[in-house]
Amino acid sequence: AQSVTQPDIHITVSEGASLELRCNYSYGATPYLFWYVQSPGQGLQLLLKYFSGDTLVQGIKGFEAEFKRSQSSFNLRKPSVHWSDAAEYFCAVGDKGANNLFFGTGTRLTVIP
Amino acid sequence: DAGITQSPRHKVTETGTPVTLRCHQTENHRYMYWYRQDPGHGLRLIHYSYGVKDTDKGEVSDGYSVSRSKTEDFLLTLESATSSQTSVYFCAIRDSDTILDTEAFFGQGTRLTVV
Repeated sequence: AQSVTQPDIHITVSEGASLELRCNYSYGATPYLFWYVQSPGQGLQLLLKYFSGDTLVQGIKGFEAEFKRSQSSFNLRKPSVHWSDAAEYFCAVGDKGANNLFFGTGTRLTVIP
Repeated sequence: DAGITQSPRHKVTETGTPVTLRCHQTENHRYMYWYRQDPGHGLRLIHYSYGVKDTDKGEVSDGYSVSRSKTEDFLLTLESATSSQTSVYFCAIRDSDTILDTEAFFGQGTRLTVV
């Protein structure tokens, strides 16, 4: 069965510092991977997605993620965090033809001045 | 922003009462979804719809029913609310045959408290 693990419940970084949020998935076939961001009181917004091809994908707001099949990981990165990046981040996995996404439990990001 | 409106945004109800949440879209998208979000669980799919009067169950459908009589509206009903259904409920819409082809747009959520 598909599953997603986000091992970090809460991360605090200083503004301007680099960021990496971890995501590990469990899936038998080729996974389709997503990162969503949720600002307080808001719905989810898609940051980026990986289906195939180049394992380094670029998303909105300066985020990128790298798919590593050998490690079953799809970590989200940003070189320099802004205060507006404070939010909750969700990794999700789906499969081709499926009509559902399986979400991780989320990582809450706090940005300090 | 995608035209998705969830109503109500907040509701407190008593155990055993029926509750209906509404998701309204102005995008004419074919697919609509109801998720619940709980601490430690992320988002879990309750039910989804792939057209008018066409619905199917998700991974946590027990205690919930849905209806879609018009393209724009997708209703989620708790027939007899229980405290375990206290959660934040999100509606999402999408306009493709698979969830992978296009982005899913999410509503702002409904916070439901069952006391």
